[in-house]
Order: sequence, then structure tokens, then C-alpha cells
Amino acid sequence: QSVLTQPPSVSGAPGQRVTISCTGSSSNIGAGYDVHWYQQLPGTAPKLLIYGNSNRPSGVPDRFSGSKSGTSASLAITGLQAEDEADYYCQSYDSSLSGSNVVFGGGTKLTVL
Amino acid sequence: QVQLVQSGAEVKKPGSSVKVSCKASGGTFSSYAISWVRQAPGQGLEWMGGIIPIFGTANYAQKFQGRVTITTDESTSTAYMELSSLRSEDTAVYYCARGLHYDSSGYYRYWGQGTLVTVSS
Repeated sequence: QSVLTQPPSVSGAPGQRVTISCTGSSSNIGAGYDVHWYQQLPGTAPKLLIYGNSNRPSGVPDRFSGSKSGTSASLAITGLQAEDEADYYCQSYDSSLSGSNVVFGGGTKLTVL
Repeated sequence: QVQLVQSGAEVKKPGSSVKVSCKASGGTFSSYAISWVRQAPGQGLEWMGGIIPIFGTANYAQKFQGRVTITTDESTSTAYMELSSLRSEDTAVYYCARGLHYDSSGYYRYWGQGTLVTVSS
């Protein structure tokens, strides 16, 4: 059971727009901690896609965008391409009585139809 | 350019321990957070713990407390993750990842290639 909740799967046709949600709570996203997003292709290490809620590292296409509001965050992908088919993970930080930890969402598999 | 190169795949017996290394190059080592993240077959990413080498004290996920030890050797810019009392559920790919400058709570721009640890009798 992940601390951050993502839909297990999303899909879209080439050229369409899809969004992936990441729902947390008052001890992580709602506490003001940033949300980051990673893309993982099969058999490879995760790749940083969005950091600090909405910032793109150099080299990441502007088709990818992130946002955060309240206890949730979202990753949007526009102009869907076949190469976008991958697993996507959100990450934040959680601070509660039981300690402070980096936390990940359970991951979302994006299928390009 | 920062690179993290991990040690090779391991096969271990239940009850034994494994130690995975992660050698950093191309940047400052001591002041950047290093974390270990694992991924069981077909599963998601799971944060195990992290350390800022210059501070020397590691922070561990509650799930792994008492079983995992993260250390660093600043002289060789290498981080280590040792997991003990291995069970079949520990079969996973283990990644090291470099975080932010003096900040254990941030994102990971650089990742190692991953080390497959297989626990089997």
C-alpha cells in the first residue's frame, strides 16, 4: 500500500492528452512538500521527468507538465507519442510521528493505443 | 556529468546478507544525498533509506529498520547498502540515486543502473 496513490493504468491514442494523478495527504503533499515525477521504460532505471511540482529538467519535452494543488498532484502529457509508453511514478516526502521518509506512488502504466 | 555505477548481480540464500556498492563520479560526493530504492519484479519503487556522506548518519524507512545499513566511503566516492536476514521477498533490483545538495527530501536526477539481487534456496 503506497503512501501516494496513483491509478494503476491510463491509456490514450497518439496525439491525445492524458493525465496521471497522485493523491497524498496532509503529512506529505498537503504539508507543502514538492512532488516529482519519473518515467521508467522497461528494464531501465527511472528518469527524472518533473521536479519541484512543475519544473522540467533540460532535455524533457514540453509535452510533459506537472501541477500540484492541495493534497494532490498531476502529470499531464500532451501530443501522446508511442515512445511515451512507460511506467510513471510520483515522489514526495512524508513527515509524521513515525518518522520522515521519501515516498513514491505505486506507479501508473501508460499505454499508447 | 555525474555517473553512478553499481556492483553486479547477486544470488543469495535466505537468511544471508548482501552488500551492494554504488560508485559516483563526475561531481562532488560528500555533500549530496544518496538514497537506495528497490523494485521487486513487476512492482513499484520503494525507498529504503538515504544518507548525506559528509554527515554520516543514515535515515531508514521503518520497514527496513534493523535490517538495512547504508554507509559511504568518501575516499572512493562509494556508497554501500547492506541488507541482512534476506528472504525471497527481497528479490528485487536495487538502485542507488543521487539527491540534492545537503537535502535528503528532494528529487533524484541521477540513478545507478540497478543491481539485481535474487534470494533463492
